Amino acid sequence: EVNLVASGGGLVQPGGSLRLSCEDSDSESTLRTYSMTWVRLAPGKGLEWVSYISSSSGTIYYSDSVKGRFTISRDNAKNLVFLDMDNLRDEDTAMYYCARISHSSSWLMDCWGQGTLVTVSS
Amino acid sequence: DIQMTQSPSTLSASVGDRVTISCRASQTINSWLAWYQQKPGRAPKLLIYKASTLESGVPSRFSGSGSGTEFSLTISSLQPDDFATYYCQQYSSSWTFGQGTKVEI
Repeated sequence: EVNLVASGGGLVQPGGSLRLSCEDSDSESTLRTYSMTWVRLAPGKGLEWVSYISSSSGTIYYSDSVKGRFTISRDNAKNLVFLDMDNLRDEDTAMYYCARISHSSSWLMDCWGQGTLVTVSS
Repeated sequence: DIQMTQSPSTLSASVGDRVTISCRASQTINSWLAWYQQKPGRAPKLLIYKASTLESGVPSRFSGSGSGTEFSLTISSLQPDDFATYYCQQYSSSWTFGQGTKVEI
């Protein structure tokens, strides 16, 4: 059974960096075969898509709000997906979720992991 | 970018009520619309995709309708477990979410 878990969040000063990770705790995980996304939920706001990576890492997208500061990557041998966040701003404070893109319905986020909280504050 | 507008932002209801949440896209998205339920401290859960297809395991009291730019989510008889925040999301071109509807007692 799929059980996505995001980790790596924490308190960081403006301008700082963090690396988030997403893994599937299922020992028989097929995460490597799925495209993945990161989505965030800021305090008092709605959900916002952040980044996308295809299963092969051949296609990558970023939202305008993070382009040039965040980098998505993956290690398929370890069934891990990463989000490297640099030059963090106050407005990046949010719960960050990883979500899987469905095999059967194009571009649909069908399974989400528990989030990890990122707080950017001095 | 496609903007999604949800209404209402808050909905007060009682157990057993029929509730409907609306979602409007700024341009046509055909039927590439999903609905998610989120409870505090939990990950969003997929309820409906392709505007009206019920995700496996989701109770049949949830239903979705619409196409083009106008969509709705209906809960036919509200249950205690349904008090949560609901989001619509378009996945026709990139991904954007509505601002959410909090269903409260």
